[in-house]
Amino acid sequence: AQSVTQLGSHVSVSEGALVLLRCNYSSSVPPYLFWYVQYPNQGLQLLLKYTSAATLVKGINGFEAEFKKSETSFHLTKPSAHMSDAAEYFCAVSDLMSGTYKYIFGTGTRLKVLA
Amino acid sequence: EPEVTQTPSHQVTQMGQEVILRCVPISNHLYFYWYRQILGQKVEFLVSFYNNEISEKSEIFDDQFSVERPDGSNFTLKIRSTKLEDSAMYFCASSETLMNTGELFFGEGSRLTVL
Repeated sequence: AQSVTQLGSHVSVSEGALVLLRCNYSSSVPPYLFWYVQYPNQGLQLLLKYTSAATLVKGINGFEAEFKKSETSFHLTKPSAHMSDAAEYFCAVSDLMSGTYKYIFGTGTRLKVLA
Repeated sequence: EPEVTQTPSHQVTQMGQEVILRCVPISNHLYFYWYRQILGQKVEFLVSFYNNEISEKSEIFDDQFSVERPDGSNFTLKIRSTKLEDSAMYFCASSETLMNTGELFFGEGSRLTVL
């Protein structure tokens, strides 16, 4: 079965600093990967997705992620953090093995942006 | 912009009571899902629904749970005889296509507290 590991349940960065949120997946076939963001008291919003096209994927709000097959990683980055980026971020993989469209989520990383 | 709406946003119930969580998916979407997030844990797949029947369900989705699309617009999750461990945020999602790359659109969640 596919799985997703997010290293660091909490990450703090200063405003203007680089944001790096880590995601590693476990899959024996090329996966489809996603990053979702959850702002306080809101639902899950898609930031970006990897679907086997370009390995560097650009998303909303200046975020991007790079698919690295050799490292089985899909880390999320943003060059300069903004206060409004404070939220919880979830990495997810689409379960292809069983031919379903079920998404498997990581445990999430809460991003705190310090003024 | 079309969105998935969920009601209630928060429900408190006594252990053993039945709860119905309601969702209105995006109108042209055909696939519907329920996910659960216990506080501090990952978002977990519960069930997917298409063409008025369950497509797939997880181990969590046992006989205590049921889903229904009673009137062509609402999509409900019924939890019978609630237990303390059912306390969680329940997310409804919908998607337009069956493709694994298809984005899931999530509602803002219904927080269930079982006392």
